[in-house]
Amino acid sequence: GQQVMQIPQYQHVQEGEDFTTYCNSSTTLSNIQWYKQRPGGHPVFLIQLVKSGEVKKQKRLTFQFGEAKKNSSLHITATQTTDVGTYFCAGLASGGGADGLTFGKGTHLIIQP
Amino acid sequence: NAGVMQNPRHLVRRRGQEARLRCSPMKGHSHVYWYRQLPEEGLKFMVYLQKENIIDESGMPKERFSAEFPKEGPSILRIQQVVRGDSAAYFCASSQSSTSGEYNEQFFGPGTRLTVL
Repeated sequence: GQQVMQIPQYQHVQEGEDFTTYCNSSTTLSNIQWYKQRPGGHPVFLIQLVKSGEVKKQKRLTFQFGEAKKNSSLHITATQTTDVGTYFCAGLASGGGADGLTFGKGTHLIIQP
Repeated sequence: NAGVMQNPRHLVRRRGQEARLRCSPMKGHSHVYWYRQLPEEGLKFMVYLQKENIIDESGMPKERFSAEFPKEGPSILRIQQVVRGDSAAYFCASSQSSTSGEYNEQFFGPGTRLTVL
């Protein structure tokens, strides 16, 4: 079955440093979504990427979708304490079939002031 | 405009009992998804339902677990004869369209934390 790998599992940064998490799928994706989950909270949708090579920006967050539609990344510039949480990518396999999203295990972002 | 509602927020059961988890999707959403999350783990897809239909249950254990989304009322995830390994957070999400549709952003509920003693 489809697998979605995310690295790193944990990332410690000093406040103000940049942060990147990477997502790789074992199969080609129809689209990829990113979610953020604060400690003790529930996942909150951030963005969806659909097109090959797509790049989207939300303030300090930059999302990329690979040309082969099998990998994606999330980059945060100049992290702030409010960025703390776990960032998940979730992919939908292309070619139809199951409609459930396959989530990566997430990257836990820990920020040291 | 209420978001996705889940209840109870916390549920404690003894081994062998039944657990019933409820999810009311956002208004106007007819697509419901259930996920399980173990501590320090990602979300594992369990089942995807539309009103009165199970669309994809590929992530659901074959035994003891069932889900429904009746014409009226909330979606129910039912776990029979719970075991300690069922302890987890169970999240429900809803969307306006299917995952391949245009309005496919999933809105998550606060989750139900199930503890099996």
